[in-house]
Amino acid sequence: AQSVTQPDIHITVSEGASLELRCNYSYGATPYLFWYVQSPGQGLQLLLKYFSGDTLVQGIKGFEAEFKRSQSSFNLRKPSVHWSDAAEYFCAVGRNSGGGADGLTFGKGTHLIIQP
Amino acid sequence: NAGVTQTPKFRILKIGQSMTLQCTQDMNHNYMYWYRQDPGMGLKLIYYSVGAGITDKGEVPNGYNVSRSTTEDFPLRLELAAPSQTSVYFCASSYKGLTEAFFGQGTRLTVV
Repeated sequence: AQSVTQPDIHITVSEGASLELRCNYSYGATPYLFWYVQSPGQGLQLLLKYFSGDTLVQGIKGFEAEFKRSQSSFNLRKPSVHWSDAAEYFCAVGRNSGGGADGLTFGKGTHLIIQP
Repeated sequence: NAGVTQTPKFRILKIGQSMTLQCTQDMNHNYMYWYRQDPGMGLKLIYYSVGAGITDKGEVPNGYNVSRSTTEDFPLRLELAAPSQTSVYFCASSYKGLTEAFFGQGTRLTVV
């Protein structure tokens, strides 16, 4: 069965510093990968997604992620974080059909704290 | 644009009571989903639907029921509430599985 691992439960970064959030997946076929962000008390918002093609994908709010098949990873990066980036970040993979038609499998999330 | 609307936002239930969590979307999306979110556990899929009249179980369906009589609405029913169902519930929809899923604001349910 597919699974997603986010090794870091909490990450603290200074404002203006770079950020990398880790995500490892387990999936038998070509994965369809997603990163979502959840602000406190809110629903989830899609940051970016990877289906195929260029392994470096650009998303909203200045985020990008790189798909590395050899490492089964899909890490999220941002060159310079802002205080408004403080939130919970979730990596997800399509459950069975790959594309997410039958839902997504989520990681447990990484809580990002921004220090002034 | 309302997007995905969930009601209520908060609810406290007593053990054994029943309730329906409402979800409606105005984007004419075929695909709809119910997830539950527990602290430190991410989101887990309860049920999903690929169109009116079609529903299927997700990862954690026990204790829940759904129906999809219209494209817009996808209610989630709890028949006999248990403390283990204390959670935040999110409804989501998408045009098709390969595209972005839009999430509602969530319903925080406490069973006491």
